[in-house]
Formats: sequence, structure tokens, C-alpha cells
Amino acid sequence: QKEVEQNSGPLSVPEGAIASLNCTYSDRGSQSFFWYRQYSGKSPELIMFIYSNGDKEDGRFTAQLNKASQYVSLLIRDSQPSDSATYLCAVFWAQKLVFGQGTRLTINP
Amino acid sequence: GAVVSQHPSRVICKSGTSVKIECRSLDFQATTMFWYRQFPKQSLMLMATSNEGSKATYEQGVEKDKFLINHASLTLSTLTVTSAHPEDSSFYICSASAPGVTDTQYFGPGTRLTVL
Repeated sequence: QKEVEQNSGPLSVPEGAIASLNCTYSDRGSQSFFWYRQYSGKSPELIMFIYSNGDKEDGRFTAQLNKASQYVSLLIRDSQPSDSATYLCAVFWAQKLVFGQGTRLTINP
Repeated sequence: GAVVSQHPSRVICKSGTSVKIECRSLDFQATTMFWYRQFPKQSLMLMATSNEGSKATYEQGVEKDKFLINHASLTLSTLTVTSAHPEDSSFYICSASAPGVTDTQYFGPGTRLTVL
């Protein structure tokens, strides 16, 4: 059973600070990693994907991948109240996405 | 780009009836579509993978005779919940991926099904 683990939270971060979300996965052969944001009652929205070790930046978001440690993270800089949502980590394995349980993030004004 | 729509967004039905949910890729051709189910405060669980023109591949534990999937064209897949029961009440979400890019999935807005 391939697994993706996330801390379910809730994670509370003050507005303007950096939010750090973490994810570990069990399949060492996984090659594609995704972060989705899901607002309450809505479907997931793709934020970032990362394939290679290291950092990938897109605006206020940075994804970090360490395949040796089987660890992928998402940093959100200058956190805004609108960033409050559940963040889902997903790993592509055997032609399908395997999702973690999600981390609920709250940005406090 | 990469817009996926679902219809209806919300449906309430009586126990024993069947409900059809449509998933459309609006601006790209989706060779593969996926159907997920999400219960409250839980993550997405893949139900089945649907490839255009072929039978869907169901995940373990998902009844293929209860959840009928049809992917008749490159832009449309349908999920029919047959003989729905209250335990089928859930948030059903489809996603689609473009040809050759099966790992990147774009999600529809979801369908909230309530079975009375």
C-alpha cells in the first residue's frame, strides 16, 4: 500500500509569516509530486508540481523535494487570510494520484 | 486553460433512485478522467480511472455495478450511482488529464450528493 502522510493540523500561522507544510511518501520510485489547495466545500485546486530534487518557486509558494528522504514540502511566504484552506499533498504512482489526508491551515489576521 | 466542469453541482435524491453526474473537459481533450469520492473531513479517495473508449478501471472495494462509468468521448465522462442509498451521500469529484500528461490532473468543481 503506497502511502502519503501529512500532519492533519490544524496549523495556525500569523498573517505575513511563512507557513510550512510537510509531506512524506512511502514509494521511493515516485517521480511526480503535487500540492493542491482545497477550500471548505470546494474541489482541489492545483498549486504546484515538482519533479526534481531541490526547490521550485512560484510567486509566494515554494515547493521543496528531497527524494532521498522521501519528503516534499510547501512554503507559503507572506501568508494571507485567503491562504486559509486544507492543503493536500499528492504523489503520482501507478498512473494515479495518491493523496495525503491534508493539512488544515489557518492564517490569523 | 485546463477547465473541467461538472453537472449537477448538487443533487438530492430518494433512496433507491439512480443519479448521473457529468464531467466535461472544456478546453482540452482528456484521454483519461478520474472519479473521486470525498467524505467529510477526509481526503480524496480514487474510485475509478476512465479512459476514452474503454472500460473503466475500478479501485479495490468500489462496486463497478453500482458506480457505472462511461467515457464516450474525449471531453465527457459520466458517473451513474445506481440504486443510491444514504451511505452513498458524499462529494463526488472528477478530474481530467491531457494526452501525454497523465500525472497532472485538473479537478472539476465537484457534485454534492445527498441521498435521503
